[in-house]
Amino acid sequence: DAGVIQSPRHEVTEMGQEVTLRCKPISGHDYLFWYRQTMMRGLELLIYFNNNVPIDDSGMPEDRFSAKMPNASFSTLKIQPSEPRDSAVYFCASSLSSGYTFGSGTRLTVV
Amino acid sequence: GEDVEQSLFLSVREGDSSVINCTYTDSSSTYLYWYKQEPGAGLQLLTYIFSNMDMKQDQRLTVLLNKKDKHLSLRIADTQTGDSAIYFCAERRGNNRLAFGKGNQVVVIP
Repeated sequence: DAGVIQSPRHEVTEMGQEVTLRCKPISGHDYLFWYRQTMMRGLELLIYFNNNVPIDDSGMPEDRFSAKMPNASFSTLKIQPSEPRDSAVYFCASSLSSGYTFGSGTRLTVV
Repeated sequence: GEDVEQSLFLSVREGDSSVINCTYTDSSSTYLYWYKQEPGAGLQLLTYIFSNMDMKQDQRLTVLLNKKDKHLSLRIADTQTGDSAIYFCAERRGNNRLAFGKGNQVVVIP
């Protein structure tokens, strides 16, 4: 298995632009999680899905953030419009029963 | 963070043992985990312990769990330069959700 695949690995964008981060979970995993990691706040859970259904999005910072999981093999996290304070590493993780498998992350820089 | 507490930094000489500590909050947590994050990479599951165990050993790794004090520790024997990383503890809460600590950076000095 190729593991959890995230794209792009790096993204640099200008303030105000739309950013879309992508994640392909491990086949058969029924949970998918989006995290944001910064030096100041550590790992923050943004949203998670179970069987493609959003379960808890209370960690999504603002309405500028949205996430979808149209099918079991794909999820997106969108930021529109992006702001410099959104600069962080965004991780996707998937899980079946216990323990998570993380992707390599997307490093987002908003200038 | 989500009230899972870790100390932030540990420096250790190559060959010595490292001990990383963590305090969690939910006494009903069923599983507790240790993850390792190397620079530029995602978190990698190192080991886990079920809540009815006191200790788990896995090669150079020893996990100790004190449920009464909600204290978890990870001991790395014969620490090597490849062990330099950030280590996160996590507790499993409801709905298969993990709550992570802020991480503990371990620097191994050759």
